[in-house]
Amino acid sequence: IQLTQSPSSLSASVGDRVTITCRASQGISNYLAWYQQRPGKAPKLLIYAASTLQSGVPSRFSGSGSGTDFTLTISSLQPEDFATYYCLQLDSYPLTFGGGTKVEIK
Amino acid sequence: QVQLVQSGTEVKKPGASVKVSCRASGYAFTKYYMHWVRQAPGQGLEWMGIVNPSGNTNYAQEFQGRVTMTSDTSTSTVYLEVSSLTSEDTGVYYCARRAGRPGDPFEIWGQGTMVTVSS
Repeated sequence: IQLTQSPSSLSASVGDRVTITCRASQGISNYLAWYQQRPGKAPKLLIYAASTLQSGVPSRFSGSGSGTDFTLTISSLQPEDFATYYCLQLDSYPLTFGGGTKVEIK
Repeated sequence: QVQLVQSGTEVKKPGASVKVSCRASGYAFTKYYMHWVRQAPGQGLEWMGIVNPSGNTNYAQEFQGRVTMTSDTSTSTVYLEVSSLTSEDTGVYYCARRAGRPGDPFEIWGQGTMVTVSS
């Protein structure tokens, strides 16, 4: 299953609303997770089951979608949110990641 | 607390093998599966495969024949061995824990092990 993430990068300002999309090449129900990765660090789980917020993750992060189209939204971008974001499908093996979206400061 | 601690940086020559360890603590080791993920410099994340506590494995096709994942329940440690290394194997290797239910994500990650392949 291929995951196509868009955009591959974006520039935004603190306080902006940011939306990242992830499209699967076939239906994966809601078996999708979103991760944030800062430089030199391991990925951090933000969202699983497409829309369930991981414990401890700020509520400005939200996820939606089912089937083939998914969205990660950051409602009000904060300085610590500048990072790279990846989607991951957990429907079937081999597990696959999206190509990543780098969120940079405008 | 729940954590995965990986072995340290490795530098290898082309054609050699490398073995990376991932020691789990703070939870029941036998109740979770362990996955390995690779990240080449400046690139995205790539799933390599899974090993369960019983030692059963499922490898990504790209790595079959060159990768071995094992599990040692006596020490709560999993191992990743990659053979016939080339420069394209340079990157950070992560272990990540996942429960066994459909859709369960990787919710705990190791700190990563940098492997450099260079002559």
